[in-house]
Amino acid sequence: DGGITQSPKYLFRKEGQNVTLSCEQNLNHDAMYWYRQDPGQGLRLIYYSQIVNDFQKGDIAEGYSVSREKKESFPLTVTSAQKNPTAFYLCASSMAQYNEQFFGPGTRLTVL
Amino acid sequence: QKEVEQNSGPLSVPEGAIASLNCTYSDRGSQSFFWYRQYSGKSPELIMFIYSNGDKEDGRFTAQLNKASQYVSLLIRDSQPSDSATYLCAVSLYFTSGTYKYIFGTGTRLKVLA
Repeated sequence: DGGITQSPKYLFRKEGQNVTLSCEQNLNHDAMYWYRQDPGQGLRLIYYSQIVNDFQKGDIAEGYSVSREKKESFPLTVTSAQKNPTAFYLCASSMAQYNEQFFGPGTRLTVL
Repeated sequence: QKEVEQNSGPLSVPEGAIASLNCTYSDRGSQSFFWYRQYSGKSPELIMFIYSNGDKEDGRFTAQLNKASQYVSLLIRDSQPSDSATYLCAVSLYFTSGTYKYIFGTGTRLKVLA
């Protein structure tokens, strides 16, 4: 059953902590993306990767880091430098950068 | 001007009516156009995409693209209460450097009244 998985579904973080959000896909897609969505807002691109071992900053990369060591996996670390990390985080993938994107179920991060 | 614009709504239509959702984009380099549906608290799911001018139909959904006027629309026929969601428009832009950028609108909230 092909798809994108994200874990955990809910995540609580104390101020000053780094946390890592998992994203895995078995669609054999080359491109993967991380977005942030705040309540009532649109999607904002954090990072994207077109190929293994390569990634680019999106519009709001400050305070976040990623890695792409395997085609299937694109984890996102929310660092303590991110001033307002409470949001809904969405991972997506596509065959290539111009193709339709498919989304995982999302991770809801709350900073306590 | 925003690169992809949508009316935030809410757009309210009675059950059984046609819902018409519109999206305008500013860059003539836009190549591909996508419609997503997002239920409250859930992730977006792809409804359909369109590349060429004209209409593309898939079940109760029809996407319409007019590149000259730089708009893309989504029609939902026989609207059902289960269609109540936020509809996101997305545009794929091509740059001469060979790279692409995928841009989402902020979405239109649709309410189908039973």
